[in-house]
Amino acid sequence: NAGVTQTPKFQVLKTGQSMTLQCAQDMNHNSMYWYRQDPGMGLRLIYYSASEGTTDKGEVPNGYNVSRLNKREFSLRLESAAPSQTSVYFCASSEASGNHGAQYFGPGTRLTVL
Amino acid sequence: GQQVMQIPQYQHVQEGEDFTTYCNSSTTLSNIQWYKQRPGGHPVFLIQLVKSGEVKKQKRLTFQFGEAKKNSSLHITATQTTDVGTYFCAMTGGFKTIFGAGTRLFVKA
Repeated sequence: NAGVTQTPKFQVLKTGQSMTLQCAQDMNHNSMYWYRQDPGMGLRLIYYSASEGTTDKGEVPNGYNVSRLNKREFSLRLESAAPSQTSVYFCASSEASGNHGAQYFGPGTRLTVL
Repeated sequence: GQQVMQIPQYQHVQEGEDFTTYCNSSTTLSNIQWYKQRPGGHPVFLIQLVKSGEVKKQKRLTFQFGEAKKNSSLHITATQTTDVGTYFCAMTGGFKTIFGAGTRLFVKA
């Protein structure tokens, strides 16, 4: 099992460009999440998907959109990248559809917006 | 909104010394999770505490959940260089998880 995979690992964008970060899990988990991590601020939830077919906003959703393509895949899209979106992005999944599930994280995407 | 405060922000220890990080919330938590992130890596789940006053051990790591379920601690006995990284607590409510800012541990050999 690969666990949670993310592509790309690194990306440099110019302000205004768009891109989609891909995430897939092979653990048959119901819930999936997107976080961003900035120095000294821990992990902040952008969007989550409690189950296939549903998505909801997290703590910092502005400037992002998501798609739960199927049970395995959850993508994050930046429509018009801004320097403030320079960060490390982590995708995660959990088995439990609720508040008792350990989250399993992907290796992350390091994004720089110039 | 809900917040979980984690202290200290950084800790430098000599190998063999003990280390403790604390997590505090202003509201009662349903449960708390702990994660470890190695430098350049991704967070890895360590443990989840659910019951008031719960204490769990994993080798040299001891996790504790306060009686009022508003605070938690992670204690490492006799640190090793392999313990370096950032330790995060996280509280869950519904489908959302809120992470503390983390405590970064440096271990000098």
